Amino acid sequence: GENVEQHPSTLSVQEGDSAVIKCTYSDSASNYFPWYKQELGKRPQLIIDIRSNVGEKKDQRIAVTLNKTAKHFSLHITETQPEDSAVYFCAVMNYGGSQGNLIFGKGTKLSVKP
Amino acid sequence: SAVISQKPSRDICQRGTSLTIQCQVDSQVTMMFWYRQQPGQSLTLIATANQGSEATYESGFVIDKFPISRPNLTFSTLTVSNMSPEDSSIYLCSVAASGTQETQYFGPGTRLLVL
Repeated sequence: GENVEQHPSTLSVQEGDSAVIKCTYSDSASNYFPWYKQELGKRPQLIIDIRSNVGEKKDQRIAVTLNKTAKHFSLHITETQPEDSAVYFCAVMNYGGSQGNLIFGKGTKLSVKP
Repeated sequence: SAVISQKPSRDICQRGTSLTIQCQVDSQVTMMFWYRQQPGQSLTLIATANQGSEATYESGFVIDKFPISRPNLTFSTLTVSNMSPEDSSIYLCSVAASGTQETQYFGPGTRLLVL
């Protein structure tokens, strides 16, 4: 089945710096890659997603890049702010069963120091 | 996106008992899912709740332990049966956005502590 690895597990940056989180996957048939942000005690929130027919997608300070050949995708946050502090999860849509299921990475705890 | 609510938001239960968690959506959705998030861990899919038919369970999850109902396109329940302390987790429902089964939005979750 699909295997999703996420790195790093923790990331600490200074306010204003950039943060990059990377995920790799194993199933070349996967074609949908969302990122979720989960603040402490809150639900996971979809912040950006990308499909395999696109190499990069941006939304203000957040961008996601996808390399289908290498089977990895990354979340880029620029000009980080303290409110960006949260756990970020990547996910991959797996079509191994009768219907697609999201397989999540283990998460990255991002801390932005003011 | 759809407004998703869950009841209860949290509960403390005794081992051996069962708890039913409700998930309500403010619009009809085709796909509803139930996830478990153990403390400090990632999200693991328990099952897909199918309207009008039995839920589809992922490996490691069985209907006897996690029975699911989906009576209509806006509501689903997950029961955690014969609970043990290992069942202490956050249980989240999610729904797929209309028109796609891929983009999922999560409910606020139910925090369960089993003593």
